[in-house]
Amino acid sequence: AQSVTQLGSHVSVSEGALVLLRCNYSSSVPPYLFWYVQYPNQGLQLLLKYTTGATLVKGINGFEAEFKKSETSFHLTKPSAHMSDAAEYFCAVSPGGYQKVTFGTGTKLQVIP
Amino acid sequence: GAGVSQSPSNKVTEKGKDVELRCDPISGHTALYWYRQSLGQGLEFLIYFQGNSAPDKSGLPSDRFSAERTGGSVSTLTIQRTQQEDSAVYLCASSFTARGGAGELFFGEGSRLTVL
Repeated sequence: AQSVTQLGSHVSVSEGALVLLRCNYSSSVPPYLFWYVQYPNQGLQLLLKYTTGATLVKGINGFEAEFKKSETSFHLTKPSAHMSDAAEYFCAVSPGGYQKVTFGTGTKLQVIP
Repeated sequence: GAGVSQSPSNKVTEKGKDVELRCDPISGHTALYWYRQSLGQGLEFLIYFQGNSAPDKSGLPSDRFSAERTGGSVSTLTIQRTQQEDSAVYLCASSFTARGGAGELFFGEGSRLTVL
């Protein structure tokens, strides 16, 4: 069984500041890890994913995440927040293959001008 | 190409009525999920279909909720005797899965259900 914990249901940052959204996972097998973003009144879309290989993954809109096996973490970062980054962010884990994806509870990011 | 399509986009119903929500996944996608997103809440997993396997119904909140997937494609989520707490956005997602991989989920825009 797998699970995902997102620390902080709400995060506020100033425009131009570092964005750090935390995600820790639990998985009995090497995981596949995802970050999805949901802009206001829209569906979810993939931001980035880790499958195998390089542990630093780059996604759309300047976001990146690093898979740290020793810490069972997959935190999402962006060096400089933009107003358009205000959205809800969901971390997800999958054992791969035909098994289902499990989502965290989400983190709402507010960007303050 | 066409994405995941959900209908209706909005549904207002009276308490006690039955509703059906439809999801058309991306052609060729073997996996299909239903989630519920209540106001201010995260994603609540409802049900997962994978190919011809028995669906994972572990997230259905009560026996008033059911879902089927016909011919491995279109899925219908049915809520019987709706209650006000059923008001939410119901999201459908599909993905192509294969042994040894983990496909990206593609989400529809959701069906917003309001129970009066």
